[in-house]
Amino acid sequence: RKEVEQDPGPFNVPEGATVAFNCTYSNSASQSFFWYRQDCRKEPKLLMSVYSSGNEDGRFTAQLNRASQYISLLIRDSKLSDSATYLCVVRFRGSARQLTFGSGTQLTVLP
Amino acid sequence: EAQVTQNPRYLITVTGKKLTVTCSQNMNHEYMSWYRQDPGLGLRQIYYSMNVEVTDKGDVPEGYKVSRKEKRNFPLILESPSPNQTSLYFCASSFSVNEQFFGPGTRLTVL
Repeated sequence: RKEVEQDPGPFNVPEGATVAFNCTYSNSASQSFFWYRQDCRKEPKLLMSVYSSGNEDGRFTAQLNRASQYISLLIRDSKLSDSATYLCVVRFRGSARQLTFGSGTQLTVLP
Repeated sequence: EAQVTQNPRYLITVTGKKLTVTCSQNMNHEYMSWYRQDPGLGLRQIYYSMNVEVTDKGDVPEGYKVSRKEKRNFPLILESPSPNQTSLYFCASSFSVNEQFFGPGTRLTVL
């Protein structure tokens, strides 16, 4: 079983829609959580960190559920420019060296 | 401009021909890392370095070598490339493990 699992999609949504992605992680001793964004054939970039109390950054909301070991990303009022692959990333406790990446969820926002 | 650079960006080579992919960062980051990205598998860490002359294996180090003689450079060496090393490679650097800045990627094909 993968340590970080995501639905690969693709998710095809119309502009203006609200879309949510979930990600589950297998190791309960997980310390830090992030969403990275990767455009087609480009490098990943940090989108946002995920805090225990949940956090927002504009149209993006991230939430963490430690009891169920999943994190989520909600995108409101989707824009064409949101089309990308969204990577769920976990840093496990005691793993000073390493981030563990999910394989990503592909989102296409349609006009 | 703060950036991570990789060279070459694209490389087609043959089995057994030694190659080096260079990585350089101008942000004075101590932490650097190499990943490979394959469809359905996500980003997997090959090697990482916490500082000059300090390197360690990631999840998939077999067939690769690295060195960290200077803070800014972290080359990836394939002594005897094989077709299963065909992949998209990313170098990353950061002050902490959490937010990593990725280079543009190197697409390697080993025939």
